[in-house]
Amino acid sequence: AQSVTQLGSHVSVSEGALVLLRCNYSSSVPPYLFWYVQYPNQGLQLLLKYTSAATLVKGINGFEAEFKKSETSFHLTKPSAHMSDAAEYFCAVSRGQAGTALIFGKGTTLSVSS
Amino acid sequence: KAGVTQTPRYLIKTRGQQVTLSCSPISGHRSVSWYQQTPGQGLQFLFEYFSETQRNKGNFPGRFSGRQFSNSRSEMNVSTLELGDSALYLCASSLEGGAGANVLTFGAGSRLTVL
Repeated sequence: AQSVTQLGSHVSVSEGALVLLRCNYSSSVPPYLFWYVQYPNQGLQLLLKYTSAATLVKGINGFEAEFKKSETSFHLTKPSAHMSDAAEYFCAVSRGQAGTALIFGKGTTLSVSS
Repeated sequence: KAGVTQTPRYLIKTRGQQVTLSCSPISGHRSVSWYQQTPGQGLQFLFEYFSETQRNKGNFPGRFSGRQFSNSRSEMNVSTLELGDSALYLCASSLEGGAGANVLTFGAGSRLTVL
């Protein structure tokens, strides 16, 4: 079975500070990993995905994540937070096979203060 | 290119009623998945349809059902509504499904409140 654990339900940073959102996964097969962002009253928007190519994945809006198999982690980072980054972030894992579902973590709410 | 469209965006029902939610996927996408989002349980997979066939189903009671039409549009139905069914229901489409290289594109959701 696959699962995702997001450490910290709420992260607060100052504008311009480093953003680090933690995600650990469990998977019996090579995983496909994703980060999605959700703004209030909206659906989920894909930030980036890992599909067994490069371990350092760059996404939209300056976000990136590094796949570390030995640590079963896929943490999301951004060097400098912007007020517009305030949202809820979800890490998700999939087997990547036809018909399989995304398994989501519980989410991390990012607050950015000026 | 138009995104995933879900209707209605908001609705209020009472216990015991039934509800039907609609999802129009991105043009050319043949897979439609449904997820339930609640504060307590987070995002949970309901089911996935591909070429009018249910290909995968999550762990939800039979009161939750869905279907897909030949134009890939999908509907989900919840019968005999319970208070716990209050949630944001998200639809996502992709070219082939599989939640791997084929990325899911989500709609804005339908927020259901059961009184």
